[in-house]
Amino acid sequence: EAQLVESGGDLVQPGGSLRLSCAASGFMFSSYEMNWVRQAPGKGLEWISYIGSHGSPKYYANSVKGRFTISRDNADDLLYLQLNGLTVEDTAIYYCARSPSPRSEFDLWGQGTLVTVSS
Amino acid sequence: SYDLAQPPSVSVAPGKTARITCGGNNIGGTGVNWYQQKPGQAPMLVIYYDSDRPSGIPERFSGSNSGSTATLIISRVEVADEADYFCQVWDDSSDHWVFGGGTRLTVL
Repeated sequence: EAQLVESGGDLVQPGGSLRLSCAASGFMFSSYEMNWVRQAPGKGLEWISYIGSHGSPKYYANSVKGRFTISRDNADDLLYLQLNGLTVEDTAIYYCARSPSPRSEFDLWGQGTLVTVSS
Repeated sequence: SYDLAQPPSVSVAPGKTARITCGGNNIGGTGVNWYQQKPGQAPMLVIYYDSDRPSGIPERFSGSNSGSTATLIISRVEVADEADYFCQVWDDSSDHWVFGGGTRLTVL
């Protein structure tokens, strides 16, 4: 069964850093485009980053560009999101989601990992 | 940036038809995806490329897209359909994915 499992969420102080991971299983990870989407408490979905199946291209939402970095390790079926310069506005559940082809739908989502930014 | 407008809430009686709209500038010229999210759960794809259904999604779920409005249509609504629904498009001008603000479907 295809599955995505996020990890790495934590409580962090403003200005801090965190690295999120998304472990893929049950499908050929290297054939899929990948995305990160977040959801602040009680709010809607916000797409934040995309990476092509072989590591490029990479795109970022304006709200995180220059602070967050997406990467992937196709040998170990892992997706990453490095979060730097965190602010309270980054508090959210972070989901990874796969796309079967460029600019296509998100057909599989992980269960999410919670990032809380607070002093 | 490209904006998608959804009504915050839609109410419908069981067995009736729910229509959830997603408005955007010439949205009919691009493919629209729809996601269902129940409380405490991750989103789930219910419609892609305007009107295609992933395997396992009931035929009661359908979609249309023309002009400035895309619509998710849920026929013979069930209590289990109560959830938040989000539309999504790819914005070519910015190379960004865009989500609508979401619509809470309440089954009365």
